[in-house]
Amino acid sequence: GENVEQHPSTLSVQEGDSAVIKCTYSDSASNYFPWYKQELGKGPQLIIDIRSNVGEKKDQRIAVTLNKTAKHFSLHITETQPEDSAVYFCAASSSNTGKLIFGQGTTLQVKP
Amino acid sequence: NAGVTQTPKFQVLKTGQSMTLQCAQDMNHEYMSWYRQDPGMGLRLIHYSVGAGITDQGEVPNGYNVSRSTTEDFPLRLLSAAPSQTSVYFCASSLEVDTEAFFGQGTRLTVV
Repeated sequence: GENVEQHPSTLSVQEGDSAVIKCTYSDSASNYFPWYKQELGKGPQLIIDIRSNVGEKKDQRIAVTLNKTAKHFSLHITETQPEDSAVYFCAASSSNTGKLIFGQGTTLQVKP
Repeated sequence: NAGVTQTPKFQVLKTGQSMTLQCAQDMNHEYMSWYRQDPGMGLRLIHYSVGAGITDQGEVPNGYNVSRSTTEDFPLRLLSAAPSQTSVYFCASSLEVDTEAFFGQGTRLTVV
């Protein structure tokens, strides 16, 4: 079945440094790759997404890259700030299967 | 707009009891889904629906039932609660599977 692997499970960086989270997916028919941020006690919220016809997308300090051949995609956060501390999830979906499958999550800690 | 509303926020059940977790959205979204979140395991898909009258199984459907009689509501039923179902449950909705998903605030369920 579909599977999404996410690494690392925890990541600690100094304020101002960059953070990178990586995901791989198994279903070659996947065509939509969102990233969600979850703050303590809340539901996940979308921060950026990318579709299979695009290799890279940026939104201010956040960027996502997609390599369809290798079936992996990554989240890059530059100039990290303490408020970036949260749990981040990658996900992949296919309109063929109708499922949105999440990775295991990465707990990001940004130290002031 | 209220978005996605889940009730209750907290629930304690005894083993063998049944209950229904409620989920309602007011965004006229066709796609709705239920996830459970456990430490280290990310968000796992329980059941999903692509529209009223249509439901399908996700990654971990055993012990749960769903129905979708209206576009707005997507209740999740626990038939006979087990300690393994202790978790945080999230309902989500989106226009389609490959568009932004909006999550509820979650239901923390403990089965003793």
